[in-house]
Amino acid sequence: GEDVEQSLFLSVREGDSSVINCTYTDSSSTYLYWYKQEPGAGLQLLTYIFSNMDMKQDQRLTVLLNKKDKHLSLRIADTQTGDSAIYFCAEKGGAGSYQLTFGKGTKLSVIP
Amino acid sequence: EPEVTQTPSHQVTQMGQEVILRCVPISNHLYFYWYRQILGQKVEFLVSFYNNEISEKSEIFDDQFSVERPDGSNFTLKIRSTKLEDSAMYFCASTRGGDTQYFGPGTRLTVL
Repeated sequence: GEDVEQSLFLSVREGDSSVINCTYTDSSSTYLYWYKQEPGAGLQLLTYIFSNMDMKQDQRLTVLLNKKDKHLSLRIADTQTGDSAIYFCAEKGGAGSYQLTFGKGTKLSVIP
Repeated sequence: EPEVTQTPSHQVTQMGQEVILRCVPISNHLYFYWYRQILGQKVEFLVSFYNNEISEKSEIFDDQFSVERPDGSNFTLKIRSTKLEDSAMYFCASTRGGDTQYFGPGTRLTVL
């Protein structure tokens, strides 16, 4: 089946940039997403990118997509302590499928 | 901003009992989903529902599971005879056009 992989942990200092990486296997992915999960909370949609784009910027967030390498990244500029959470990469498959396939999540720890 | 809501936030049940998890999707959304996340593992797709029928389901969604939209606002997941391994966080999601899924806060199911 399709798979999404992420590194499990990332630690950065407050004010630095964070880059969270993700790889996926489904070459027919149409949308790729980043969700944020704070402790005890649900999945908050942060941003998404359509597969025919290679970059999307939204305030402090920059998403880069390398479709050839099936690599997605999320850059958070000026990381704050409130950004500490688990970040999930997810992909939506091709036509006819609406299910999302998630990675295991990257736990971002921001050091004050 | 409209949100997906889920009740209860935590459900404790005995093995073999039936449970019903409830969701109220965003009001003008047409596609509804259930996912689950076993502690420490990936978020896994269970089922999608559109036009009053299941449109897609995973291998996890066996005969013990069923979904229903009993009225114009609720979307429910029933587990007929719970097992220990059904203990997980269950997330409901909805989307208007099948692209960006908005998740509820989850119901933590504990099977004793």
